[in-house]
Amino acid sequence: QVQLQESGPGLVKPSQTLSLTCTVSGGSVSSGGFHWYWIRHLPGKGLEWIGYISYSGNTHYSPSLGSRLSMSLDTSKNQFSLNMFAVTVADTAVYYCATGSSYSLSQDYWGQGTLVTVSS
Amino acid sequence: DIQMTQFPSSLSASVGDRVTITCRASQTINGFLNWYQLKPGKAPQLLIYAASSLHSGVPSRFSGSVSGTDFTLTISSLQPEDYATYYCQQSSDNPPLFTFGPGTKVDVK
Repeated sequence: QVQLQESGPGLVKPSQTLSLTCTVSGGSVSSGGFHWYWIRHLPGKGLEWIGYISYSGNTHYSPSLGSRLSMSLDTSKNQFSLNMFAVTVADTAVYYCATGSSYSLSQDYWGQGTLVTVSS
Repeated sequence: DIQMTQFPSSLSASVGDRVTITCRASQTINGFLNWYQLKPGKAPQLLIYAASSLHSGVPSRFSGSVSGTDFTLTISSLQPEDYATYYCQQSSDNPPLFTFGPGTKVDVK
């Protein structure tokens, strides 16, 4: 079974860049037919899809966040990463990485999540 | 954009109760509707994908169904570990877009 673990700073200052990495075990980020997702849970609110990167490196971002995002794969480390630029306090959330089949378009396996607080 | 509404927003139930949660899409979504369970401090769990397919390892008391633009998650007999918040999600690939419903919190009656 695929396992995922998020890592990165828990505190980011406003206007700076939020950088997170997801380390994958039990599967390969270069395996065909899988998408690698980032999703966040905003405090007191619901879940929000941020974007995904495919096994081939193609990226697709939420229209509301896309101009501030960059995602990448590191096949040598079996990781994928998220950079979110020019963050504000509204970006404070629990950030999850996840993966799932590109056919079912579901997030079958998730990391535990990491809390990122945006504050000066 | 497709909007997802979910009701009720919360419900109180007892162990053994039958629980039903509904998610409604603002337009036809061709069955790409998933259900997730979220508990504080735990990784979210996929329960149902493609409206009615049970994800591997998920207990059979969970089921999903669809009627038009209304999607339903049913827990046939609520267990103590089922107290959680449940989210529906519409997913599409042309263009890629994933929209969650606002969630339904199930707590102890």
